[in-house]
Amino acid sequence: AQSVTQLGSHVSVSEGALVLLRCNYSSSVPPYLFWYVQYPNQGLQLLLKYTSAATLVKGINGFEAEFKKSETSFHLTKPSAHMSDAAEYFCAVSDSRDDKIIFGKGTRLHILP
Amino acid sequence: EPEVTQTPSHQVTQMGQEVILRCVPISNHLYFYWYRQILGQKVEFLVSFYNNEISEKSEIFDDQFSVERPDGSNFTLKIRSTKLEDSAMYFCASSGRRDSANSPLHFGNGTRLTVT
Repeated sequence: AQSVTQLGSHVSVSEGALVLLRCNYSSSVPPYLFWYVQYPNQGLQLLLKYTSAATLVKGINGFEAEFKKSETSFHLTKPSAHMSDAAEYFCAVSDSRDDKIIFGKGTRLHILP
Repeated sequence: EPEVTQTPSHQVTQMGQEVILRCVPISNHLYFYWYRQILGQKVEFLVSFYNNEISEKSEIFDDQFSVERPDGSNFTLKIRSTKLEDSAMYFCASSGRRDSANSPLHFGNGTRLTVT
């Protein structure tokens, strides 16, 4: 069975600082991995996805994530945080045999002025 | 950009009552999903729907739950007799293809269901 674990339900960073949101996955087959973002009062929006091509994936709003098979990780980073990045971020996994996506518990990102 | 639309945004109901959560998926999408998120917990898969039938359902999706596509545009989730533990945010999603890698899910803004 597939699963993802997000370390830290809340992360606070200062504006301009590096953002690092951690995600580890478990999958018996090569996974597809996703990061979704949820802004207040909005739905889940796809930030980026890994689908077995390049291991470093660039997404919207300056975010990127690196797939590391040896560490079973897919951490999300952004070099410089903006106030507008404050949101909840969800790591998710699926595989080629299935269309449903399995989500992590989410990490709420707080940006400090 | 086309959006998935969910109504209402917030629904309050009494325990034992029936509720219907409504969704309008993106018009040319063929695969439809319901997920839910209990406060403080992970987003959980409930059910997927294709070609007017359920493709897959989770353990959560018991006999109290049903889904329907009553016309060409709406996709509904019905909870027949609500329980307190059904209180959650319910997300509808749709995609154009079964392949999640090349056709990611598009989510609605969610309906917050509160059962009192």
